Amino acid sequence: KQEVTQIPAALSVPEGENLVLNCSFTDSAIYNLQWFRQDPGKGLTSLLLIQSSQREQTSGRLNASLDKSSGRSTLYIAASQPGDSATYLCAAPQGGSEKLVFGKGTKLTVNP
Amino acid sequence: KAGVTQTPRYLIKTRGQQVTLSCSPISGHRSVSWYQQTPGQGLQFLFEYFSETQRNKGNFPGRFSGRQFSNSRSEMNVSTLELGDSALYLCASSLGLAKWETQYFGPGTRLLVL
Repeated sequence: KQEVTQIPAALSVPEGENLVLNCSFTDSAIYNLQWFRQDPGKGLTSLLLIQSSQREQTSGRLNASLDKSSGRSTLYIAASQPGDSATYLCAAPQGGSEKLVFGKGTKLTVNP
Repeated sequence: KAGVTQTPRYLIKTRGQQVTLSCSPISGHRSVSWYQQTPGQGLQFLFEYFSETQRNKGNFPGRFSGRQFSNSRSEMNVSTLELGDSALYLCASSLGLAKWETQYFGPGTRLLVL
């Protein structure tokens, strides 16, 4: 059974700082891992999807890495901005299904 | 291209009632998944439909059911509502053809059970 853990649960940083969010998963037989962003009271916005054959995926100031052997993924945010304040969720599939198992998220606050 | 839409956006019901939520996927997407999000449990998978068939199911009681229509639109029904069913219900769509596809989420329906 897939379990996903995110550390830290909350993070507060000053604007401009580079930061790393961590995600670990128990079942390394995954075909992808997805990072999402959720603003308060809103739905999820897909940020990055890393396929099992990839080690990294980049979009703008965001870079996600995937290490299946250690069951870890990281989301790196460069030069953080107040608009980056949100909850960041990672999700890994359950077995070979479409079912996504989510971590509890990291609530990020970027202070001006 | 229009995103995933969910209706209604907000609902208030009382215990014992039933409710139906609707999700319209991105055009061309044939897979629709439903999730429940609560502060305590986080996001939990309910079920997934592909081409009008339930393909995956989470660990929720039988009061939670769903269906998908030929145009890929999906509905979720919760019967005999309980206070604990208060949550944000999210649906997500994808092409459903490959395991490495991105899932796109709608804005959610916030259900409050009194």
